[in-house]
Amino acid sequence: DTAVSQTPKYLVTQMGNDKSIKCEQNLGHDTMYWYKQDSKKFLKIMFSYNNKELIINETVPNRFSPKSPDKAHLNLHINSLELGDSAVYFCASSRVTSYEQYFGPGTRLTVT
Amino acid sequence: GIQVEQSPPDLILQEGANSTLRCNFSDSVNNLQWFHQNPWGQLINLFYIPSGTKQNGRLSATTVATERYSLLYISSSQTTDSGVYFCAVERNDYKLSFGAGTTVTVRA
Repeated sequence: DTAVSQTPKYLVTQMGNDKSIKCEQNLGHDTMYWYKQDSKKFLKIMFSYNNKELIINETVPNRFSPKSPDKAHLNLHINSLELGDSAVYFCASSRVTSYEQYFGPGTRLTVT
Repeated sequence: GIQVEQSPPDLILQEGANSTLRCNFSDSVNNLQWFHQNPWGQLINLFYIPSGTKQNGRLSATTVATERYSLLYISSSQTTDSGVYFCAVERNDYKLSFGAGTTVTVRA
């Protein structure tokens, strides 16, 4: 019974392509997040949705666009991929804002 | 933004040893969490602890909010405790800011 799941787990693609990562949580949480972890393991918030409303939109290139079709799903679409986008992307959820967060397994994106 | 400093950056332990990890932060916070990232990359929430003390098995944590630090204690360490421990804080803006982590290696 996976609480927060992401697909795909690995994504290898070429520069210039467009790709999407999907996230689903079955915890009944109201808030979902996208984080980026770089090669030095530094974790940084990218986006957050609370009840399908965007509440965090950090300084991220506008090639990245999140979409939340419902409270249980948060997807990340990336246009015109660049080498620097290579990283591990984590989805997370929390019952409400400013509360404990539960992370998905991560999606390792490699842009060649 | 809020600064989060974790120490030490690296820690090597013999199985069975105890250790203390520290997290200092630069401003008052309403949210503080400790996470463990295992060698397979999975991030596990250990504690939600904006203040006070909590215990969970061999792990415990204390946050002294007025002095802007938190401590994570690992007792009787096991090889499965290896990985990176992250402290993350939030100051009323929904954004969790992570420290650089403490990499723990437990040797059998």
